[in-house]
Amino acid sequence: QQQVRQSPQSLTVWEGETAILNCSYEDSTFNYFPWYQQFPGEGPALLISIRSVSDKKEDGRFTIFFNKREKKLSLHITDSQPGDSATYFCAASDSNYNVLYFGSGTKLTVEP
Amino acid sequence: EAAVTQSPRSKVAVTGGKVTLSCHQTNNHDYMYWYRQDTGHGLRLIHYSYVADSTEKGDIPDGYKASRPSQENFSLILELASLSQTAVYFCASSDGKNTLYFGAGTRLSVL
Repeated sequence: QQQVRQSPQSLTVWEGETAILNCSYEDSTFNYFPWYQQFPGEGPALLISIRSVSDKKEDGRFTIFFNKREKKLSLHITDSQPGDSATYFCAASDSNYNVLYFGSGTKLTVEP
Repeated sequence: EAAVTQSPRSKVAVTGGKVTLSCHQTNNHDYMYWYRQDTGHGLRLIHYSYVADSTEKGDIPDGYKASRPSQENFSLILELASLSQTAVYFCASSDGKNTLYFGAGTRLSVL
């Protein structure tokens, strides 16, 4: 049973557009939600994260919007660049042993 | 300088053979993890450890064993490799403050 779900599976946007990646979860005890970015041939790396006490987290062109009531969150990438082309994973944790549960990922392609 | 190093980077194994994947970290982290990555499934947790000489089962432990002989080293062992275990395996470490630091992965093909 997948505890974290992501959509779409793949997304293509033009350079300069805003990419929106969606994520939902089931376990109401989850309180920490990071997004990881993975380039081909590399391991995932932390991009941005949010805790359940907040509804928005911004870091440059990357923003997380969090809706605790609906158990949904989204990652917005504004002014998308070709260098943003990567697979993005949403994850969730209840802080128990730092275990992260990952979604299946969204492969983002930014066309120049 | 890579702080989480996995070896080998790729391996071809025969069905029924024994496979050992190794992970070494220089982050001085207490927590270490093994994840498996398959297309369409994302990253799934196999085993993890929060202290040397102790390991815990993750979501998909069947067919895998783990060993944590020291803080720095964490191994994943496939006693009887099967075709279904063909995947990319990632090791990660954490200091307990939520961020995981991943290695570059090991691509395992079981034939």
